Amino acid sequence: DTGVSQDPRHKITKRGQNVTFRCDPISEHNRLYWYRQTLGQGPEFLTYFQNEAQLEKSRLLSDRFSAERPKGSFSTLEIQRTEQGDSAMYLCASSLGRGPRDTQYFGPGTRLTVL
Amino acid sequence: GENVEQHPSTLSVQEGDSAVIKCTYSDSASNYFPWYKQELGKRPQLIIDIRSNVGEKKDQRIAVTLNKTAKHFSLHITETQPEDSAVYFCAALRAGAGGTSYGKLTFGQGTILTVHP
Repeated sequence: DTGVSQDPRHKITKRGQNVTFRCDPISEHNRLYWYRQTLGQGPEFLTYFQNEAQLEKSRLLSDRFSAERPKGSFSTLEIQRTEQGDSAMYLCASSLGRGPRDTQYFGPGTRLTVL
Repeated sequence: GENVEQHPSTLSVQEGDSAVIKCTYSDSASNYFPWYKQELGKRPQLIIDIRSNVGEKKDQRIAVTLNKTAKHFSLHITETQPEDSAVYFCAALRAGAGGTSYGKLTFGQGTILTVHP
């Protein structure tokens, strides 16, 4: 499968614990995005990278959230001291990063449940 | 920032009928408008997109129209089939410098389409 992959697919954790998710983009895609989706809503932008540079962070991304893409390939999203409100589907997407019609391809998501 | 409104939130049609979903956006700098289909428990998948220099685009049973002046764009599905049942999201992307895109997709709230056999 040459699409965007995410790991794990599901994560159940207790409030206060730290969690880390991984995203592997489509190879040769320069841009990588993180979105959060709650039930019945559209995906909400969190942050994105052009190669290893983090170009934008949403105000939704509190200090407890950190994302990295150290070598411009895979990315990790860490949530520290999880809260019940963090429960959501975390979606990763990637794109070539060239031109105005820059299609974003989504991964299957990581569903986080905070108890 | 950009705001995208999508209507209706639910749409129920009989197989063979047409379905229309409408979106409005607020940022006049947005110039790329993709539509995603998301089946239950699956990833959003791009079904069609349109750039702001085009008024209409068609791909088999699916078409998208864009009114840049009014900041409206719509998805039209003709001859609906039960497998079209899913959640549909519109989105908008702002142009960046040098002919690139800004990166951040702003999504509408989604439309649950149900096609009854």
